[in-house]
Amino acid sequence: AQKITQTQPGMFVQEKEAVTLDCTYDTSDPSYGLFWYKQPSSGEMIFLIYQGSYDQQNATEGRYSLNFQKARKSANLVISASQLGDSAMYFCAMREDNNNAGNMLTFGGGTRLMVKP
Amino acid sequence: DAGVTQSPTHLIKTRGQHVTLRCSPISGHKSVSWYQQVLGQGPQFIFQYYEKEERGRGNFPDRFSARQFPNYSSELNVNALLLGDSALYLCASSLGPGAHAGYTFGSGTRLTVV
Repeated sequence: AQKITQTQPGMFVQEKEAVTLDCTYDTSDPSYGLFWYKQPSSGEMIFLIYQGSYDQQNATEGRYSLNFQKARKSANLVISASQLGDSAMYFCAMREDNNNAGNMLTFGGGTRLMVKP
Repeated sequence: DAGVTQSPTHLIKTRGQHVTLRCSPISGHKSVSWYQQVLGQGPQFIFQYYEKEERGRGNFPDRFSARQFPNYSSELNVNALLLGDSALYLCASSLGPGAHAGYTFGSGTRLTVV
């Protein structure tokens, strides 16, 4: 089974509107972390936001917020007030804290977000 | 402060050759991880090193190897290159393998095998 699933290969959003990028995950580890990264065409993975499995509140970082629904195993990224510079690939990733592979990240297949002017 | 530095940025190799990719972590970071990102996919974990020791290995053949030096920089080596090794190779550094360690990625090395 896929550990991280991003079901939206591509999405369009109008500039200044909000958009939600979906991410579901699968783990039996009670302790884990969930990450969102942005990857522009230059290739660099830019960290956006982090949610720990024991965090009681949803994470927020500026225009980014994470809608964490633990029982549903979903960790959707919400971008408010979209900007043209938000156009990029977005990856959801998970780190399971009790595996034997150090602190490796498992990534989803990504969602390409395109912001329309 | 300098971020994670990777070299070279681009590389073209012929099938059967070997390649060495280099990564310098953020100052103070002792852990380096390597990821392979094939076009159109998410990154796949290859190796993690911490304090010069291998702490994790992904599902990659023995043609892939890595090491970490006393200054915490790292090299990824790939032998007997195949066309399928063409990818963006990303390096990530972190303070250590602790549960809440954050990761900072470099811009990657884009390898093309012809």
